[in-house]
Amino acid sequence: DTGVSQDPRHKITKRGQNVTFRCDPISEHNRLYWYRQTLGQGPEFLTYFQNEAQLEKSRLLSDRFSAERPKGSFSTLEIQRTEQGDSAMYLCASSLPRPPDFQETQYFGPGTRLLVL
Amino acid sequence: LAKTTQPISMDSYEGQEVNITCSHNNIATNDYITWYQQFPSQGPRFIIQGYKTKVTNEVASLFIPADRKSSTLSLPRVSLSDTAVYYCLGNTNAGKSTFGDGTTLTVKP
Repeated sequence: DTGVSQDPRHKITKRGQNVTFRCDPISEHNRLYWYRQTLGQGPEFLTYFQNEAQLEKSRLLSDRFSAERPKGSFSTLEIQRTEQGDSAMYLCASSLPRPPDFQETQYFGPGTRLLVL
Repeated sequence: LAKTTQPISMDSYEGQEVNITCSHNNIATNDYITWYQQFPSQGPRFIIQGYKTKVTNEVASLFIPADRKSSTLSLPRVSLSDTAVYYCLGNTNAGKSTFGDGTTLTVKP
């Protein structure tokens, strides 16, 4: 078990540029989550996948944000036309709901810190 | 999803037991209570999870009373390295978890 990995760990970009982040979940986990965290706040839910299906998206996820999980394994989060307000830590988590009640524990990656200048 | 309320901050000294209480008055029947620890510039790390009564692992204990409207995370004999933000959340099998702002624990020598 190598844990959840995220790449890159840090990204500095200029306003208006597009950025893409990658998340590799724990291998047998079928759920994958994206969160955003700003300084001094708890993580805020953005979206999640069960296998390759995107099941829920937060209202925080504007049209500039898109996430994919094409083969039900790794996922990418793209932000188009970045704004300074997008500066945050972007966290990925994965889980495997277990029977009988399918309660789950989410395991988080180290995050990608984005700074938009 | 259950809205949780925790103290904003707590101070302790090395070697003491620390208890952090979380209120979750509207927790649903199928919600579990989960606690995470987060260090600066890292992702949250799972500590412990429970549904009712008491759960203990190598890191912490979790006490949940019968009405499940609150829970208490107990950290035995804290050290300086336990200085972190601790999040309590109620989560179901329906997916997303809602984090509050957590409790910042500062352990002093």
